[in-house]
Amino acid sequence: QQQVKQSPQSLIVQKGGISIINCAYENTAFDYFPWYQQFPGKGPALLIAIRPDVSEKKEGRFTISFNKSAKQFSLHIMDSQPGDSATYFCASPPAPTGNQFYFGTGTSLTVIP
Amino acid sequence: NAGVTQTPKFQVLKTGQSMTLQCAQDMNHEYMSWYRQDPGMGLRLIHYSVGAGITDQGEVPNGYNVSRSTTEDFPLRLLSAAPSQTSVYFCASSYRGGVADTQYFGPGTRLTVL
Repeated sequence: QQQVKQSPQSLIVQKGGISIINCAYENTAFDYFPWYQQFPGKGPALLIAIRPDVSEKKEGRFTISFNKSAKQFSLHIMDSQPGDSATYFCASPPAPTGNQFYFGTGTSLTVIP
Repeated sequence: NAGVTQTPKFQVLKTGQSMTLQCAQDMNHEYMSWYRQDPGMGLRLIHYSVGAGITDQGEVPNGYNVSRSTTEDFPLRLLSAAPSQTSVYFCASSYRGGVADTQYFGPGTRLTVL
């Protein structure tokens, strides 16, 4: 059961460009949408998260855009840097009937110098 | 605080062997969980616990056992290792497993089953 569907699977961006990763969800009861960042050989770590009462949240070069009608949320990385090269996961909050968090399949981002 | 720690970092097993992956957290978190990460599959939940003495199955529980005798520790046991269990395993914890609780991940254990 895939609670969140993430795309693309991989992304190559030139330094200074904009990286965009998308995530679609089905359960309209979800009310918290986080993105996690994972560097090679490390565990994932929370990058940024949004609640659906706002359409956008910005933290530095990282922005989440939320489209409630389309049931999608996106991660935008402005002025992408080689240090942003990592795998990014969207995630869903716990299912209403349990305590299970679901993660997307991940997007491998490579930023070319 | 050490956060979430996992041992060992790497492990090679032969088919049929058993082993325990250790996970500990020092943040007094009630919620702990185990994930496996495979290429193209993302993070898949194996088992989770909402407190000491309480565990439940996740998405891919077959072949794995867990127990939670203390708040701090949440070991994952492979009963009879199979090549399909070759993966990177992550332990995570959060305050109460609430909607907006941040999950903190350990550094992972890379397991190879021959």
